[in-house]
Amino acid sequence: AQSVTQPDIHITVSEGASLELRCNYSYGATPYLFWYVQSPGQGLQLLLKYFSGDTLVQGIKGFEAEFKRSQSSFNLRKPSVHWSDAAEYFCAVGARAAGNKLTFGGGTRVLVKP
Amino acid sequence: ETGVTQTPRHLVMGMTNKKSLKCEQHLGHNAMYWYKQSAKKPLELMFVYNFKEQTENNSVPSRFSPECPNSSHLFLHLHTLQPEDSALYLCASSQEKNADIQYFGAGTRLSVL
Repeated sequence: AQSVTQPDIHITVSEGASLELRCNYSYGATPYLFWYVQSPGQGLQLLLKYFSGDTLVQGIKGFEAEFKRSQSSFNLRKPSVHWSDAAEYFCAVGARAAGNKLTFGGGTRVLVKP
Repeated sequence: ETGVTQTPRHLVMGMTNKKSLKCEQHLGHNAMYWYKQSAKKPLELMFVYNFKEQTENNSVPSRFSPECPNSSHLFLHLHTLQPEDSALYLCASSQEKNADIQYFGAGTRLSVL
């Protein structure tokens, strides 16, 4: 069975600073990988996804993520955060062999200081 | 707006009440999902429907009863819930069960007293 770990429960970053959120997964084959964002009182919005090909994927809102097979990681980055980026971020892995059932990490809550 | 609408947004119910959560998707998708999001726990998949047929029940207690009358609508009927069932219940849809991307509604915040 697949699993996802997001080591950081909370991250505080200053507005304009860079942001990196860590995600490690466990899965026996090449997975589908996703990052979702959840603003307060809202559902999950897809930021970006990796299926195959270029290991650096671009998403919405200026986010990008890099798939590193050797490290089983799919870290999310943004060069300069905005106050509106304060939210909870979830990494998820889809198991191709299990009908793309999604398994989510525990989430990382991002606080943005002015 | 993701195209997945959930009502009500907030619900407070007693342990002896019966209530239902509703989800409607306007995306022409064929697969729909119920998730439970509790504080300090990862998102938990509860049920999956594909072309109106239930394809997965993730060991969910029988006090939660899903219903999918058509590919656009999904209900979660609730009865004799426990306080630990208080959570955010999220609905999602995708083109098909094996599709890549799930689109989520804003959720129903449920409080069981």
